[in-house]
Amino acid sequence: GIQVEQSPPDLILQEGANSTLRCNFSDSVNNLQWFHQNPWGQLINLFYIPSGTKQNGRLSATTVATERYSLLYISSSQTTDSGVYFCAVTSHAGGTSYGKLTFGQGTILTVHP
Amino acid sequence: DTAVSQTPKYLVTQMGNDKSIKCEQNLGHDTMYWYKQDSKKFLKIMFSYNNKELIINETVPNRFSPKSPDKAHLNLHINSLELGDSAVYFCASSQDLAGGAYEQYFGPGTRLTVT
Repeated sequence: GIQVEQSPPDLILQEGANSTLRCNFSDSVNNLQWFHQNPWGQLINLFYIPSGTKQNGRLSATTVATERYSLLYISSSQTTDSGVYFCAVTSHAGGTSYGKLTFGQGTILTVHP
Repeated sequence: DTAVSQTPKYLVTQMGNDKSIKCEQNLGHDTMYWYKQDSKKFLKIMFSYNNKELIINETVPNRFSPKSPDKAHLNLHINSLELGDSAVYFCASSQDLAGGAYEQYFGPGTRLTVT
């Protein structure tokens, strides 16, 4: 099956700093999503981005499907950005995916005031 | 109005018991899923249903039995609970299978603790 690797595993920032999170995947995808799991455990949809670039406020994401990676940019970070960021993909690798999202291991972001 | 809801939010029970987790979505989606998040935060799919039909069963022990009474509901019943079943269980839904191309939306999770 498809492999999903995220980097860095941990990231510590001061409020106001910018950051880039990376997601590499081992095969072609037809769905790529970024999630934020907040300290209360909720999984919040950030982006649905199998290709191209999207922006939502201080967050933006770019997926280069041909090179099998996606980037999540966080600008002017705030303490409320703390949590775990997951990349997840659906792929036809190894047969029909039927919507099976394969998750990366996550990036733990801590933003200090 | 919560799009994907789960009950209960927390579940503490003893080994050997049988328990159920309920999930409902009001998004009009055709496909629903169960995912498990372990103590290391790793998320993995367990099941998916499309129009009440089981599509994915990811080698989950048959103590776990999903049931979909209609397109808007997918419940998870667990028999003979074991310590290793302790985890957070997330329900999700998407518009359609279509090769998995549609965005999935997750419920708030159910934290199951088996003592």
